[in-house]
Amino acid sequence: GAVVSQHPSWVICKSGTSVKIECRSLDFQATTMFWYRQFPKQSLMLMATSNEGSKATYEQGVEKDKFLINHASLTLSTLTVTSAHPEDSSFYICSPFGGGYGYTFGSGTRLTVV
Amino acid sequence: RKEVEQDPGPFNVPEGATVAFNCTYSNSASQSFFWYRQDCRKEPKLLMSVYSSGNEDGRFTAQLNRASQYISLLIRDSKLSDSATYLCVVNEGAGNMLTFGGGTRLMVKP
Repeated sequence: GAVVSQHPSWVICKSGTSVKIECRSLDFQATTMFWYRQFPKQSLMLMATSNEGSKATYEQGVEKDKFLINHASLTLSTLTVTSAHPEDSSFYICSPFGGGYGYTFGSGTRLTVV
Repeated sequence: RKEVEQDPGPFNVPEGATVAFNCTYSNSASQSFFWYRQDCRKEPKLLMSVYSSGNEDGRFTAQLNRASQYISLLIRDSKLSDSATYLCVVNEGAGNMLTFGGGTRLMVKP
């Protein structure tokens, strides 16, 4: 149980373009989705929390218009980095919560903006 | 002030050594505590939860001191495969959110 699929694993994009990251809970329903990012040699920092069907709650310093989160179903959430810039290059990790499995994590997406 | 603090290391130890990591947290209302392991460029994986009475899982022992807001992890008989970053993680109780420490890097050498 508690299988999480996050795609893509890595992506390189040009500055100014948008990138969508998908996170699926394959065998459980995630009532809450946490999105984290991790810069090199730093720990995971929570970006936002979303509950299915509701607007995401963003942490201080995270621009909601830049990092669009959609949690339209209990098994799928997406994070779109809009107008990406080199400083957005980071490791993005989703964390579905629910279904009695506690905290689970996707395998992460390494974004490089050139 | 960081909410969850750890010594970043690295801790370089020989195989078979015993090594201990410490962590402090600032929110006295924190409700649950964990140690996660993260390998390079991978997602964190749960190593063990930490209970007030202390708990052991094979070569790993975790302890919690709520009065001092202090958590520890002891690894006995270190293996090469234990090389990783160990993350101290706290659930502060609000909305099930986890707060991660900066991690302690362990390198076990032959």
